Amino acid sequence: DAMVIQNPRYQVTQFGKPVTLSCSQTLNHNVMYWYQQKSSQAPKLLFHYYDKDFNNEADTPDNFQSRRPNTSFCFLDIRSPGLGDAAMYLCATSRGVGNSPLHFGNGTRLTVT
Amino acid sequence: AQSVTQLGSHVSVSEGALVLLRCNYSSSVPPYLFWYVQYPNQGLQLLLKYTTGATLVKGINGFEAEFKKSETSFHLTKPSAHMSDAAEYFCAVSTNTGNQFYFGTGTSLTVIP
Repeated sequence: DAMVIQNPRYQVTQFGKPVTLSCSQTLNHNVMYWYQQKSSQAPKLLFHYYDKDFNNEADTPDNFQSRRPNTSFCFLDIRSPGLGDAAMYLCATSRGVGNSPLHFGNGTRLTVT
Repeated sequence: AQSVTQLGSHVSVSEGALVLLRCNYSSSVPPYLFWYVQYPNQGLQLLLKYTTGATLVKGINGFEAEFKKSETSFHLTKPSAHMSDAAEYFCAVSTNTGNQFYFGTGTSLTVIP
C-alpha cells in the first residue's frame, strides 16, 4: 500500500542535542509537510516543500530546519532542542492541488530530557 | 484568508446515540473541507472530504457531513456511536489557491458504554 512512513515512532533526545526526524512516502506526491502537534492541540504547520521549493511558516523558529533530498524523503532537523520542543511531529503529503487531501504518517513522538 | 472553528472541544455521547461534531469555516474563495480522525499516538486519518458537487458527503466508518454554504458549516454526524469512535476529530479547510490547510482546534469524542 502507498503510504507515508515516519521513523522513528519515538525519539528521546537531550536538551540541546541535535536530532533528525525522517519521513518517506511512496505516494509520489509533490508536496511534503511537517507539522508539530502538542497535547490536545491542532497540528501546527512548520513548513512544506512543493517539489524542491521550500516554504517556511513565518512563526517557525530558526531552530527547526528541513531537507528534501528527493521526492520520496523529507527530514526535520532540530538544531538545539529545548523542553518546549517536546511534541508529536507529523509528516504529511499531498498532490498539491486544493482538493487533494493530506496523507499523514503515524508521527514521531519527541521527548526532550 | 481561511479559518475553521470547531465548537465544543469535548463531546460525550452514549453508545448507540447520534454523534454531531460542529465545524464552521471562513473562506474568501470556494473552500475544500475535510474531516480527519486521530487515535492516540497516531497520525491523522481522512474521514471524508467535500470538494464540489453533492453537498452531503459520506465517509468511512459510517460518518457523513453536509456542506451548507449559507451557514458556512460542515458538521460531522454519525447516526449511532460505537465505542471505537472515541478519538480526536479535526476539521480542516483548504482552497484551490495554494497548498495550505487550516485546522480547527479539534473535538475529543468520548463514547459512554
